[in-house]
Amino acid sequence: GQQVMQIPQYQHVQEGEDFTTYCNSSTTLSNIQWYKQRPGGHPVFLIQLVKSGEVKKQKRLTFQFGEAKKNSSLHITATQTTDVGTYFCAGNSGGYQKVTFGTGTKLQVIP
Amino acid sequence: DAGVTQSPTHLIKTRGQQVTLRCSPKSGHDTVSWYQQALGQGPQFIFQYYEEEERQRGNFPDRFSGHQFPNYSSELNVNALLLGDSALYLCASSRFRDSNQPQHFGDGTRLSIL
Repeated sequence: GQQVMQIPQYQHVQEGEDFTTYCNSSTTLSNIQWYKQRPGGHPVFLIQLVKSGEVKKQKRLTFQFGEAKKNSSLHITATQTTDVGTYFCAGNSGGYQKVTFGTGTKLQVIP
Repeated sequence: DAGVTQSPTHLIKTRGQQVTLRCSPKSGHDTVSWYQQALGQGPQFIFQYYEEEERQRGNFPDRFSGHQFPNYSSELNVNALLLGDSALYLCASSRFRDSNQPQHFGDGTRLSIL
């Protein structure tokens, strides 16, 4: 079945440093979504990418979808303590109906 | 406008018992998906319901079953509970026809098996 892997599994950064998490799928995706989950919380939708090579920005967050639609990345510029949480990518290979979540990257920001 | 609501928030069961978890979708949504999230892992897709039928299913045994009601709310049933069923169970809702819109997650039910 479809597998979605993320690296790194954990990342500790000093506040103000940049952070990047990478997502790789074993199959070509129709779209990819990114979620943030705070400790004790539920996944919160951040963004969806659909087009090959697409790049989207949300303030300090930059999301990319690979040309082959099998990988994606999330880059955070100048991290803040509010960025703490686990970031999941989630791939969909046939409409919205079945989403496969990645393994997640847990971000810790040291003040 | 109420979001996705799940009940109960926490539940403790023993091995071999049965459990029912409930989910009410966000207003305007007609599709409900259930996920299992073990500690330290990403959510794993269990199944999805639309028009009161199971439309998609992940790699979960038949002990996991569900139901969707005419008002779009849904239940997840797990029989013959195992220790490994301890997890956060998440419900997500969406509109079946709006494939470009994201699903919304509830706060989840934390199930502990003793």
